[in-house]
Amino acid sequence: DAGVTQSPTHLIKTRGQQVTLRCSPISGHKSVSWYQQVLGQGPQFIFQYYEKEERGRGNFPDRFSARQFPNYSSELNVNALLLGDSALYLCASSFLTASGSYNEQFFGPGTRLTVL
Amino acid sequence: KQEVTQIPAALSVPEGENLVLNCSFTDSAIYNLQWFRQDPGKGLTSLLLIQSSQREQTSGRLNASLDKSSGRSTLYIAASQPGDSATYLCAAPKMNYGGSQGNLIFGKGTKLSVKP
Repeated sequence: DAGVTQSPTHLIKTRGQQVTLRCSPISGHKSVSWYQQVLGQGPQFIFQYYEKEERGRGNFPDRFSARQFPNYSSELNVNALLLGDSALYLCASSFLTASGSYNEQFFGPGTRLTVL
Repeated sequence: KQEVTQIPAALSVPEGENLVLNCSFTDSAIYNLQWFRQDPGKGLTSLLLIQSSQREQTSGRLNASLDKSSGRSTLYIAASQPGDSATYLCAAPKMNYGGSQGNLIFGKGTKLSVKP
């Protein structure tokens, strides 16, 4: 089975522009989460979606938005890009267990965003 | 509030040595904890998931333990090899009154270098 896939691999934008990142979860996984990782730090949680509904939001400005589609793939949008948005953006998928807890999270290769 | 700390931040060992990486977390009401490996510029590879009902989990030369009462987890790597050189991250789920929000809180990682 294919793992979590993300596109594009790399992206270069200028300040003020908008960007859309895409993620396809592992088949059968209905939960998708987005994380931002800046150099030297652990990933920081941005959003989680389950069954097309937002289930969690991290401490990020409203310039960040996301959505999940009926096939459980997801997009992360960032508007009015700032230099500080330069980071590795990671997508993770998991499934919800019968007890209502989220199981092991599997990450994609990430999208490297550079804002000039 | 869940906070995750990893020590040491960096570790350099000669090939063949056994080593231990440490992870501590503040909210002991977790139902699992996950260890990841990250190669430079790459995504995260899940190494081990330990459920709260388990005390240890093993995969090949890796062994992870979980002690919820003390808020600690350790990753033991036996007979280290140069190919083990990477950053190792531990992550605990953020908990709320309804259980987990499904997002992970990461430590900053331990950068491991295994010298031939």
